[in-house]
Order: sequence, then C-alpha cells, then structure tokens
Amino acid sequence: RKEVEQDPGPFNVPEGATVAFNCTYSNSASQSFFWYRQDCRKEPKLLMSVYSSGNEDGRFTAQLNRASQYISLLIRDSKLSDSATYLCVVNEDNAGNMLTFGGGTRLMVKP
Amino acid sequence: EPEVTQTPSHQVTQMGQEVILRCVPISNHLYFYWYRQILGQKVEFLVSFYNNEISEKSEIFDDQFSVERPDGSNFTLKIRSTKLEDSAMYFCASTLGRSYNEQFFGPGTRLTVL
Repeated sequence: RKEVEQDPGPFNVPEGATVAFNCTYSNSASQSFFWYRQDCRKEPKLLMSVYSSGNEDGRFTAQLNRASQYISLLIRDSKLSDSATYLCVVNEDNAGNMLTFGGGTRLMVKP
Repeated sequence: EPEVTQTPSHQVTQMGQEVILRCVPISNHLYFYWYRQILGQKVEFLVSFYNNEISEKSEIFDDQFSVERPDGSNFTLKIRSTKLEDSAMYFCASTLGRSYNEQFFGPGTRLTVL
C-alpha cells in the first residue's frame, strides 16, 4: 500500500517565523513530488513541485531526499495568509497518473 | 486563467438514490481525475480517465461508481446507489500531460447522503 505520512500539527507560529514541514513516502518508485496548499473546505492548489536538486520559490524552499524517501518544505518570514493545511503529494507515475496525498500539516500563523 | 469547474457545489440526497456529479475540465487537458475527501481525512484517489477510458481506479471505485465523458467538455461521476459513507467532498482534476504536470483541481462538490 502506497502511503504518504505527515505530522498533522497544528504548527502555531508568530508572523515572521520560519517553519519547516516534513513528509515521508513509502513507494520508492515514485517519480514526482509536490506540495499543495488547502484552505478550509477548499480544493488543493499547487504550491510547488519538488525536485531532487531542491528548489526555491520566494519564501518557500522544497527539498527531496530520494534515499531517505523524505520531502521537506521550509517557509521563511511567515505571513498571516500562509495559514492553511499543507499537503505532501506524490505522483505514483503509474498508468493512471494517480496522486497520493498525505494527511496534511496544519499551519496557523498568528499576529 | 482557465479553471476546472464543478456542479453542483452541494448535493443532498437520500441513501439509495443515484447522483451525478459534473465537471468541466480545462479545455486542452487530456487526463481527468476524480478524488474524494471525507471530512477531516486525506484526499483519496478514485479514478483516472484518458482517451475515453479508465486508466486506473482505486479500491474505493467499486461497481456503484462510473465515469463518463458524454461530450467534448463534461466529465461526470455517477454513484448509482448512494450510501451514508459516500458523504464527502468530491474533487475533479485535470492535467495536460503525465507525471510532472500539475493536476488542477475544481472547487469540489460536497455530497451529503442522509
């Protein structure tokens, strides 16, 4: 069974803080990895793809460690608007191109 | 910006009734998906659809479920005889290509089975 595991949180941080989320995945054959953001009762929206070399998009940095089957997301200078649930997502790269979602990590940024 | 749309936003039905959830994927996309999310739980894959046939389906997607692309724009999920445990948010998604391409999600249909 293919699994993606995340710490559910919540992470309560003040504005301006740096916060890191981690995720592990079970299927070593997985090829592509993503962080999605989900606001309460809304659809998941892509935050960023995750590459083996690591990638950065403004205040967000994602890292992938294939050997450990571990993915991370770092958010610097947290804003109130960053409050959401962050979903670690793995594309199983099978015939159906299905995504396997982690349970999400809830972030609450406070003034 | 093109987006995936879904109707209705909320559907309430009686147990045992049939429901059809509708989606309009992004127009040039080729791969279509249904996912569901029971309140407080993970988003779960149901089915993927490409070239007018099912590519893959999960164990959730049993004989009570079916999908169809009746015309060039709509993509539907039918549940023949709803159960209480079918109550969830159902998300449609579409993507242009495989693996590395972002799957764009619609706003979801909240299905409540009474």
